[in-house]
Amino acid sequence: GAGVSQSPSNKVTEKGKDVELRCDPISGHTALYWYRQSLGQGLEFLIYFQGNSAPDKSGLPSDRFSAERTGGSVSTLTIQRTQQEDSAVYLCASSFQTSTDTQYFGPGTRLTVL
Amino acid sequence: LAKTTQPISMDSYEGQEVNITCSHNNIATNDYITWYQQFPSQGPRFIIQGYKTKVTNEVASLFIPADRKSSTLSLPRVSLSDTAVYYCLVVGAGGGNKLTFGTGTQLKVEL
Repeated sequence: GAGVSQSPSNKVTEKGKDVELRCDPISGHTALYWYRQSLGQGLEFLIYFQGNSAPDKSGLPSDRFSAERTGGSVSTLTIQRTQQEDSAVYLCASSFQTSTDTQYFGPGTRLTVL
Repeated sequence: LAKTTQPISMDSYEGQEVNITCSHNNIATNDYITWYQQFPSQGPRFIIQGYKTKVTNEVASLFIPADRKSSTLSLPRVSLSDTAVYYCLVVGAGGGNKLTFGTGTQLKVEL
């Protein structure tokens, strides 16, 4: 079956603009994760969904970041009033049920804020 | 807060066995240890997972001592295509901030 997909693959925006990043998890996976990876760095956890609810939002770096998940499937990560330090690759992953299950990652969205 | 520590980089040659150790002193009782591999411009990919003792699959082995405060990923007979970043992840079913992968270990395999 299809893997995790993300769109867009690349996004260039101007400082102060809002952006939306989309993640389509593997069908049937109830857990969904968002990470951020800056150049040459490890993965920084942002948020974890179990179904449509987010039991852990502790990784969101500021109130400019928000995420939602509808129908237990597609998720959208929104960054408002983007800043240059938001430039990074945003990775989405899904797993069957819990965070101990294997995470399957999408190809990521490369965000560049000018 | 669970934290993992790995070497920043390792070098090896084709055909050698590579062992990468991860320290996780604050591991909790219900945490599992999972290793992922990441190539440039790709998302991480699952390699192996374990809870205690030894786990082996077709690509790697994972050794976990009794106190579970560390783990060692063993890659037998590496090839050039094993050049990648390897991450150790320690996480329980509740997820949360333990889901931070850290900086990982950059493995470089040469001829």
